[in-house]
Amino acid sequence: QVQLQESGPGLVKPSETLSLTCTVSGDSINRYYWSWIRQPPGKGLEWIGYVHYSGTTNHNPSLKSRVSISVDTSKSQISLKLTSVTAADTAVYYCARLKGLRPLGNNYYHALDVWGQGTTVTVSS
Amino acid sequence: DIVMTQSPLSLPVTPGEPASISCRSSQSLLHSSGHIFLDWYLQKPGQSPQLLIYMGSNRASGVPDRFSGSGSGTDFTLKISRVEADDVGVYYCMQTLQTRTFGQGTKVEIK
Repeated sequence: QVQLQESGPGLVKPSETLSLTCTVSGDSINRYYWSWIRQPPGKGLEWIGYVHYSGTTNHNPSLKSRVSISVDTSKSQISLKLTSVTAADTAVYYCARLKGLRPLGNNYYHALDVWGQGTTVTVSS
Repeated sequence: DIVMTQSPLSLPVTPGEPASISCRSSQSLLHSSGHIFLDWYLQKPGQSPQLLIYMGSNRASGVPDRFSGSGSGTDFTLKISRVEADDVGVYYCMQTLQTRTFGQGTKVEIK
């Protein structure tokens, strides 16, 4: 059974870089897309982006050039970096597996079928 | 961006009774393949979200058949045929046609 575990500093200073890692166990990282989603305190969910094991990425344009998502297949880890953070980046950060669930032509329809427990990041001086 | 709007934002329910949540998108979620690009997730209290429905009407693995998704174009509905106490939490719709965006969430609680 696949499990995802997020980890990283719980406190980051304004203007610095938030760095998180998601460790995948119980399945190969080399088969799926992997995503990051966040949830500010008391608020809803926000899509951050995804990475494929091949290195292909896609991210939310609202985060502009601040976000970087990468994969380390040798460690079965997905990383998230968010630069120039502000208090608005305070949130619970989730990683999730994007699994192909239904064939669509030469591709698949992907959905977030497994989520990590999330890690809380506070941006404060 | 495609804006997703859910209603109601709060839904008191009675166990054994049906419940319905609406989700509207600012653009049609009909993909060129003919399929609807919309998912539903449930976030139970203190837990991470879990996938309920994908492609508008397909139940995810292990999801009870009392949950169903329907809709077309810009109007979508999640229905629970008979609510159980374990169904409480916040339900989110999410469009997957473009950069993924979530609805605000609908909090379901027992009356």
